[in-house]
Amino acid sequence: KQEVTQIPAALSVPEGENLVLNCSFTDSAIYNLQWFRQDPGKGLTSLLLIQSSQREQTSGRLNASLDKSSGRSTLYIAASQPGDSATYLCAGPHTGKLIFGQGTTLQVKP
Amino acid sequence: DADVTQTPRNRITKTGKRIMLECSQTKGHDRMYWYRQDPGLGLRLIYYSFDVKDINKGEISDGYSVSRQAQAKFSLSLESAIPNQTALYFCATSDSGTGTYEQYFGPGTRLTVT
Repeated sequence: KQEVTQIPAALSVPEGENLVLNCSFTDSAIYNLQWFRQDPGKGLTSLLLIQSSQREQTSGRLNASLDKSSGRSTLYIAASQPGDSATYLCAGPHTGKLIFGQGTTLQVKP
Repeated sequence: DADVTQTPRNRITKTGKRIMLECSQTKGHDRMYWYRQDPGLGLRLIYYSFDVKDINKGEISDGYSVSRQAQAKFSLSLESAIPNQTALYFCATSDSGTGTYEQYFGPGTRLTVT
């Protein structure tokens, strides 16, 4: 069974800092991994989908990596801004469904 | 217009009432999902449907039922609402044809059961 874990649960950084969010999964046969952003009380916005055949996927200031052998994915946010403050969730597929981590709530202070 | 829409966006109801949450999508996806989100418990899958004739229970289906009226519509019903069903409910879709399992979420319905 796939289990997805995100540590830390919360993170606070000053504006401009580069940061890394971590996601661990137990099933190394993972097909791909999806990163989402969620603003308080809002829906989930897909940020990046990284396939098992890829090692990295980039969108603007965001870069996601996937290392199946170690069971880890990271989301790198460059030059963080207060507008990046949100909860970030990772999810991996298992039998056609997505298994979600608990999320990391990021606060970027001006 | 949003690709995945949910109605209503907010609902307050009383214990014992029957309510229905609706989800529609214009993405042409074959797969649809219902999740609930509670603080500290993350997202949990209630029901999912891989096509119109395929309905499956998720990890927390007790107290809920669903109907896939068409490929584009997937409704979630609470037959007799109870306070611990107060939560944020999300509908999501995916396209089996891409082989990526990438899901797209609606804006959510905030349900309060008093």
